[in-house]
Amino acid sequence: IAGITQAPTSQILAAGRRMTLRCTQDMRHNAMYWYRQDLGLGLRLIHYSNTAGTTGKGEVPDGYSVSRANTDDFPLTLASAVPSQTSVYFCASSETSIDNEQFFGPGTRLTVL
Amino acid sequence: LAKTTQPISMDSYEGQEVNITCSHNNIATNDYITWYQQFPSQGPRFIIQGYKTKVTNEVASLFIPADRKSSTLSLPRVSLSDTAVYYCLVGVTSGTYKYIFGTGTRLKVLA
Repeated sequence: IAGITQAPTSQILAAGRRMTLRCTQDMRHNAMYWYRQDLGLGLRLIHYSNTAGTTGKGEVPDGYSVSRANTDDFPLTLASAVPSQTSVYFCASSETSIDNEQFFGPGTRLTVL
Repeated sequence: LAKTTQPISMDSYEGQEVNITCSHNNIATNDYITWYQQFPSQGPRFIIQGYKTKVTNEVASLFIPADRKSSTLSLPRVSLSDTAVYYCLVGVTSGTYKYIFGTGTRLKVLA
C-alpha cells in the first residue's frame, strides 16, 4: 500500500509557466487537502475537497486551482506561476472531512524563477 | 478562526519528559485537538488527538483542561529521534478555513 504519492518530487519552473502537481491516494479517503510550507510560516491550507466532485478554498487559494474528478486524485494547478509560489507543497488525505487524522504525502519542492 | 499559539522552540535532554503547550482560545464546541510531528524533508505525521481531559497512546499523552482553551502534549523520556517540529491543530468544521496549522514548536533533543 503506497498511501499518498506526489509527483514530481521537485521542479524548477520559469515564471509564467503552467504547472500541475499530482497527488494520488490509495486509501479510498473521502477528503483531500493541499498545503504549502514556507520557512517561518508553517503549513497553510491552499484548497481542500471533502469528497469527490467538491472542492473548497483554504487559507491561501489565490493563484491555485484544484479538481476532484474521482476519489483517488487531487491535482493542484498553478495557471501562471510566480516566484512567490516557490514552496514545498504537501498533499494530504483523511477518511472523512471531519476526521483530524490526516495522512501526508512526501511533498513536492517547487522553485519558480 | 481557531488559531493556535505555541512556543517557537524548546530544548531538552535525552530521557527527560517534554511538555509542549498550545493555546487555542477560540476553539469551537465540536473541534478536536490534534498534534502532528514533522521531520525535515517529510510530511507531518499524526501523533495524538483528543477532545477533553486526557488521552494517552504508545508515544504521547495529551492533556486538555475543562475550558479547552489550551492543550499540552507530553512526550515521556525523549530520545534524539524525537527532534522534530510539533504542530498543534484545531479542526474548524465550519466556515471557509479548515484545519489551521500554526508555525509549530521546534524541539531539539540533546545528548
